[in-house]
Amino acid sequence: DGGITQSPKYLFRKEGQNVTLSCEQNLNHDAMYWYRQDPGQGLRLIYYSQIVNDFQKGDIAEGYSVSREKKESFPLTVTSAQKNPTAFYLCASSPAAYNEQFFGPGTRLTVL
Amino acid sequence: GQQLNQSPQSMFIQEGEDVSMNCTSSSIFNTWLWYKQDPGEGPVLLIALYKAGELTSNGRLTAQFGITRKDSFLNISASIPSDVGIYFCAGAGKSTFGDGTTLTVKP
Repeated sequence: DGGITQSPKYLFRKEGQNVTLSCEQNLNHDAMYWYRQDPGQGLRLIYYSQIVNDFQKGDIAEGYSVSREKKESFPLTVTSAQKNPTAFYLCASSPAAYNEQFFGPGTRLTVL
Repeated sequence: GQQLNQSPQSMFIQEGEDVSMNCTSSSIFNTWLWYKQDPGEGPVLLIALYKAGELTSNGRLTAQFGITRKDSFLNISASIPSDVGIYFCAGAGKSTFGDGTTLTVKP
């Protein structure tokens, strides 16, 4: 079964803690992306990676960090520097940069 | 970044009615994409458009790539309750998404 998995579906953290969201794909896609979605709003790009060991900041990268050590994996760390981390986080992948993107099921992060 | 203007922001319709929504940009795109997002889930790709003027159907959905390459339209015919959700347009070439059209279908 090919696809993108994100875990966990729901995540709760205390304020001031870093938290890492998982994203794995077995579609053999080169490019991967992280988006943030707030209630009633569209998707805002946090980071993207066109190839292993390379990534670029999106529109709202402050307070987030990523790594791309393997083609299949693109974890996102929400750091304590992110002022308002509570949101729905979506990971996506595409065969090459900026082709059609396929999304995972999302992780809802709540910071208490 | 580039902005996509998607309208209407929300729609409340009766089951069986047709729906139209559109997306415009100040920039040219080479590919237009339409996604649907169910509550609490990730968006799912509905239709991809690759050529100016192209008209593509997927079941009851029909989408068009505007001739200027700066807009796209999505139509849903004979709506049903499971059409409820948020519909996003996106311009490939940059990770740019519209803010979405929220569709509510009353049985």
